[in-house]
Amino acid sequence: QSALTQPPSASGSLGQSVTISCTGTNSDVGGYNYVSWYQQHPGKAPKLMIYEVSKRPSGVPDRFSGSKSGNTASLTVSGLQAEDEADYYCGSYAGSNNLLFGGGTKLTVL
Amino acid sequence: EVQLVQSGTEVKKPGESLKISCKGSGYIFANYWIGWVRQMPGKGLEWMGIIYPADSDTRYSPSFQGQVTISADKSISTAYLHWSSLEASDTAMYYCARHPPDTTLLTSFDYWGQGTLVTVSS
Repeated sequence: QSALTQPPSASGSLGQSVTISCTGTNSDVGGYNYVSWYQQHPGKAPKLMIYEVSKRPSGVPDRFSGSKSGNTASLTVSGLQAEDEADYYCGSYAGSNNLLFGGGTKLTVL
Repeated sequence: EVQLVQSGTEVKKPGESLKISCKGSGYIFANYWIGWVRQMPGKGLEWMGIIYPADSDTRYSPSFQGQVTISADKSISTAYLHWSSLEASDTAMYYCARHPPDTTLLTSFDYWGQGTLVTVSS
C-alpha cells in the first residue's frame, strides 16, 4: 500500500496558525478514526502529538489540534512558536496488521 | 518515567548479520506491544513489525515480512530487530516504539527510542 500523502512543506509566521493535510483512502484514513501525528526535530526521535484523530497526549500543548474529513486528516498548529519548526508525519491504521505513515511535512516558522 | 533505550550505531558490510536492541524501563515491558520503524536517509517513517513481549506474538508489515526478524526477551525487558544478511539498502535509522494499551493494534506509538543508525557499506 502507498504511503499517505502530505505536502512536503508548510510555513507560517510566529503567532499565526498553520494546517498540514494528510490524504489517504477509505481503506485507511477514511475508514477508521485512528489517525496519529508525530513531530520530529532534526536528529531526534519522533514524538506523538495527536492520536485517534484529535486526542492529545499528556504534555502536548493545546495549540496542536487534529481533525478529519473523509479521506483527509489535518493537523493545525495555532499560535506558532519557534520550537514548532520540525518535520511532521501522519500515520493511520490501515486494517489488519497494517499501519501507514505519510511522507512528512517540513514546517518552517517564519 | 517510560524510557526505551536502543543499542548504538552499527557499521556493517553487505551479507553480514546484525541484531539491534531496545530496552524498556519505567513500565511493565511484557504487557505493551513494541514496534520497529525504519527511516531511510532523508525519508519518511515506515512501520516494519510489532511484537507483544509477554507471549512473543509478532506481526510484520507486508513490506518487511521475510526481510527481518523481530524478537523479545521479557526477562530483560528487551526487544530485538535482526537481519541475517544485510544489504546496502538496509542503511537507515531504526526506531523502536511502544504501542499504547487498550486500543486497536497499530493505531499509534506513544513512546519512542532514540534510534539506532545502521550503515551497510562495502
